[in-house]
Amino acid sequence: DIQMTQSPSTLSASVGDRVTITCRASQSISTWLAWYQQKPGKAPKFLIYDASSLESGVPSRFSGSGSGTEFTLTISSLQPDDFATYYCQQYNSYSWTFGQGTKVEIK
Amino acid sequence: QVQLVESGGGVVQSGRSLRLSCAAFGFSFTSYGLHWVRQAPGKGLEWVAFTSYDGDKKYYADSVKGRFTISRDDSDNTLYLRMNSLRGEDTAVYYCAKERSTFSGWTAFDYWGQGTLVTVSS
Repeated sequence: DIQMTQSPSTLSASVGDRVTITCRASQSISTWLAWYQQKPGKAPKFLIYDASSLESGVPSRFSGSGSGTEFTLTISSLQPDDFATYYCQQYNSYSWTFGQGTKVEIK
Repeated sequence: QVQLVESGGGVVQSGRSLRLSCAAFGFSFTSYGLHWVRQAPGKGLEWVAFTSYDGDKKYYADSVKGRFTISRDDSDNTLYLRMNSLRGEDTAVYYCAKERSTFSGWTAFDYWGQGTLVTVSS
């Protein structure tokens, strides 16, 4: 199975900060990668697909990049609504896997 | 609009069985693959099972293979997860999720249900 590793596990930041989360795959997954946001007690919310394509309705301050084994999610200017946990997910094989999550908390 | 509504969770004794349901609304049910994903208390997301749009392909995580069965009833737009031989480590919120692209299997999950909690007690 393909393993997904996110870093950092926790990130402390302030409103207005630029935030970057990294996700690494144990083998090449081309650009078959998605990002999700989850708030406590809620279902995950779909943000980005195919590594860099923004889902309709998602604010443009979110962006994704990367290919192969290394990917990033960037929030250009952190807003109060963005404090949450973020997960990457690969869909390169018929055994979908998620990263362990990155919690973005208030500094 | 697209809506997924899970039901069937609850408290069940270790070794027993449970069936989860996921009712789907607002999209062409027979055109999309569907997944079950779970989240243990305080933990991350774990993919559990997949059924293709036509039910021909089914895949399972190693942790549930041989114990869980995914199925779909296209006549009433419902996804199911039959869970047998339940263990304490199966305790989690179970979400159903829809694939973003039609007839695919290699795509992100664009809509998720609200989840249903399964608690396995000893």
